[in-house]
Amino acid sequence: DAMVIQNPRYQVTQFGKPVTLSCSQTLNHNVMYWYQQKSSQAPKLLFHYYDKDFNNEADTPDNFQSRRPNTSFCFLDIRSPGLGDAAMYLCATSETLYNEQFFGPGTRLTVL
Amino acid sequence: QQQVKQSPQSLIVQKGGIPIINCAYENTAFDYFPWYQQFPGKGPALLIAIRPDVSEKKEGRFTISFNKSAKQFSLHIMDSQPGDSATYFCAASGRDSSYKLIFGSGTRLLVRP
Repeated sequence: DAMVIQNPRYQVTQFGKPVTLSCSQTLNHNVMYWYQQKSSQAPKLLFHYYDKDFNNEADTPDNFQSRRPNTSFCFLDIRSPGLGDAAMYLCATSETLYNEQFFGPGTRLTVL
Repeated sequence: QQQVKQSPQSLIVQKGGIPIINCAYENTAFDYFPWYQQFPGKGPALLIAIRPDVSEKKEGRFTISFNKSAKQFSLHIMDSQPGDSATYFCAASGRDSSYKLIFGSGTRLLVRP
């Protein structure tokens, strides 16, 4: 089945230790998004790629970076995780900006 | 102008009841209104979506009602089941949000057996 896959599902890192989260898609969608979701809150958009074009949200900290080496994969890099970065990180895809967004299962990040 | 206000924050109904979740928006340029269902520890799943050219859309037990003049839309769940217990997010997008989803704050629904 076509889908959005996130790895790992659970990630534990230490304060300040870089971490990379992975997202892949078999939908062949042009747009890939990264959201941060904290407990009992709505998802918050960090950035998105339209094909190779990167679009950062104005309030996304510099600590968060992303790479999209090809259509299928997108990575979220957190350079120096702080305790406040503990959250669920969600990847989503859409065919274009005007189409439905489909979310992956998320990666739960714990920062010790 | 970019906000989507969602209510109630939480809702408890008995099995078979019809929970109703309401959302209101201000930006008249919004033209896409999806609802997402999220179970604990999972990603949001697209449930149903509507565009302003229709006032109602039904998919199975889920219905969106849309009132363009009032800038409100709501989700009705017919014959609710315990398996519908989840958090529901409304969202809106359009030209003025660069087509990014603006989420409501979420409603935690509990359907008692």
